[in-house]
Amino acid sequence: QSVLTQPPSASGTPGQRVTISCSGSSSNIGISTVSWYHQLPATAPKLLIYNNNQRPSGVPDRFSGSKSGTSASLAISGLQSEDEADYYCAAWDDSLNGWVFGGGTKLTVL
Amino acid sequence: QVQLVESGGDLVKPGGSLRLSCAASGFTFNDYYMTWIRQAPGQGLEWISYTSSSGNTIYYADSVRGRFTISRDNVKNSLYLQMNSLRAEDTAVYYCARHGRPNIRGYYFDYWGQGTLVTVSS
Repeated sequence: QSVLTQPPSASGTPGQRVTISCSGSSSNIGISTVSWYHQLPATAPKLLIYNNNQRPSGVPDRFSGSKSGTSASLAISGLQSEDEADYYCAAWDDSLNGWVFGGGTKLTVL
Repeated sequence: QVQLVESGGDLVKPGGSLRLSCAASGFTFNDYYMTWIRQAPGQGLEWISYTSSSGNTIYYADSVRGRFTISRDNVKNSLYLQMNSLRAEDTAVYYCARHGRPNIRGYYFDYWGQGTLVTVSS
């Protein structure tokens, strides 16, 4: 059972916009910035969004993040087949003195 | 370019020990906090430990506290994870990751290694 809650799956067709939610609490998302990672099969996770809504260089602006209160979301617009991956949210948790992750969302491009 | 390369993963019996290494290159290693994260087969990500850039501040997840020890050698640009009293539930791919900003804990990990597989089984 992950501390942060994500839907286990999401899907969309090419060109569509999809969003993935991440729900936490006042001890994690409520007091921390949120980061998002994507993971292709059999590869290491990669940073996708940091500080709630910042993109590292090289990440297309089709990816955007937002945070409100104790929840965050990742939006992917103009969905492409190569976006098919697992997506994880993460935040620092003050009560655990460590990072917590969501359980991951498997995105399928139909 | 930043590179993190883990090694040391192996098949070990329950109760056994293992030491993982993470060789860093392409950045000033002693400026950055570092973390270990693991992923059990078919499961999500679990943060397990971090160390400050100097090694003076260290935190562990409850699941490994008292059994695992994180350390670093800033001369050898390497991060380590000593794993003792291993259990079947420690079976996972172990990743080392760099914290996103120099000299602070920060809130995200900007570079990850490719991972090393630890299997605990009799």
